[in-house]
Amino acid sequence: GESVGLHLPTLSVQEGDNSIINCAYSNSASDYFIWYKQESGKGPQFIIDIRSNMDKRQGQRVTVLLNKTVKHLSLQIAATQPGDSAVYFCAENLNTGGFKTIFGAGTRLFVKA
Amino acid sequence: NAGVTQTPKFQVLKTGQSMTLQCAQDMNHNSMYWYRQDPGMGLRLIYYSASEGTTDKGEVPNGYNVSRLNKREFSLRLESAAPSQTSVYFCASTSYTDTQYFGPGTRLTVL
Repeated sequence: GESVGLHLPTLSVQEGDNSIINCAYSNSASDYFIWYKQESGKGPQFIIDIRSNMDKRQGQRVTVLLNKTVKHLSLQIAATQPGDSAVYFCAENLNTGGFKTIFGAGTRLFVKA
Repeated sequence: NAGVTQTPKFQVLKTGQSMTLQCAQDMNHNSMYWYRQDPGMGLRLIYYSASEGTTDKGEVPNGYNVSRLNKREFSLRLESAAPSQTSVYFCASTSYTDTQYFGPGTRLTVL
């Protein structure tokens, strides 16, 4: 079936290292992808997005890569900080009309000091 | 600009009680959503409203009703709460870019 999922449910990294969070999607009708960060006790917060006509997009310390050939999305966080500890969700927007956003289950990122 | 606000932040109900979760956004967004999030799981859509005056079912609508009161406000009602409805409820609204902006959540426990 069509779904958005994450390869690793938990990721632990050392402070200062780079983090890579992966996401697989299976819906070829998707045209827009978003990464959200959810800190404990809070609602998800937009981090970065990418359209299907792009392969890469950079923000402040974050980069999203989109590989349409293998239907893979990744979030790279440079110089990971303790404040980056959170659950990260990828979301997929389907270009099919009606409600169209599917969220993955999330990856928890632990940053070790 | 407060973004998306939700009330209450916490609620404890007994089985069979009813309650309404309130949501408001001040970003002039057309679309609004209600999700539930269970421990270790992603967000599941309960209901959404693509525009003022319209509402549609999402993935898990059973046991819930919604009202799009005006462009700013979208409420979620539990008519007869059940323990299976213990969850964290998030309201969201969508900009023209389809990015969803979430409220802080309501933590509901049904005993």
